[in-house]
Amino acid sequence: GAVVSQHPSRVICKSGTSVKIECRSLDFQATTMFWYRQFPKQSLMLMATSNEGSKATYEQGVEKDKFLINHASLTLSTLTVTSAHPEDSSFYICSAKAGRGDEKLFFGSGTQLSVL
Amino acid sequence: AQSVAQPEDQVNVAEGNPLTVKCTYSVSGNPYLFWYVQYPNRGLQFLLKYITGDNLVKGSYGFEAEFNKSQTSFHLKKPSALVSDSALYFCAVRPNTDKLIFGTGTRLQVFP
Repeated sequence: GAVVSQHPSRVICKSGTSVKIECRSLDFQATTMFWYRQFPKQSLMLMATSNEGSKATYEQGVEKDKFLINHASLTLSTLTVTSAHPEDSSFYICSAKAGRGDEKLFFGSGTQLSVL
Repeated sequence: AQSVAQPEDQVNVAEGNPLTVKCTYSVSGNPYLFWYVQYPNRGLQFLLKYITGDNLVKGSYGFEAEFNKSQTSFHLKKPSALVSDSALYFCAVRPNTDKLIFGTGTRLQVFP
């Protein structure tokens, strides 16, 4: 099946620094990618929908200036957590659509962000 | 508010025994229903989905799920569990939009 690579898998940073997470579709082109966040014992929550070549669409309550999303190519979307704070510590997951159909949605393995 | 509930954080079952992972939802209309599985250090993988028709849906790796409209449930089942089934399982629903609403996940542990 299609592969979505997400890096890094784990990152620890100091409060106030920025962290970039990459999501790559390795063997297909993805015009649409999604970014999720999961806090412990909570659901995966959709943060934003990333469309290649255009601005991302953010869900209500997600600060677009804090969570910068760039989808500059058909195989790469990045999420940058700017000026990270301890409350941003969470598990971030990306997914990418390889085509029409629900079976065509593939997920990265996630990034555990810990902000000290 | 639309939501998905997976009431069990963890389900333990002996190999060879049947397993059930529970899921209930609160969504208006007729949503699509999904199960995903996440193995260690891997991304979520599509397991099965229900759109319409037969209430019993068969998916990958011998799993099936039963849709019950009156109980708004979509429990995941397998007649005979394998140790290799041990993983994290997510239930999800998709209302009449493109957005998936996930449950909190249930860790399935199958003991030899």
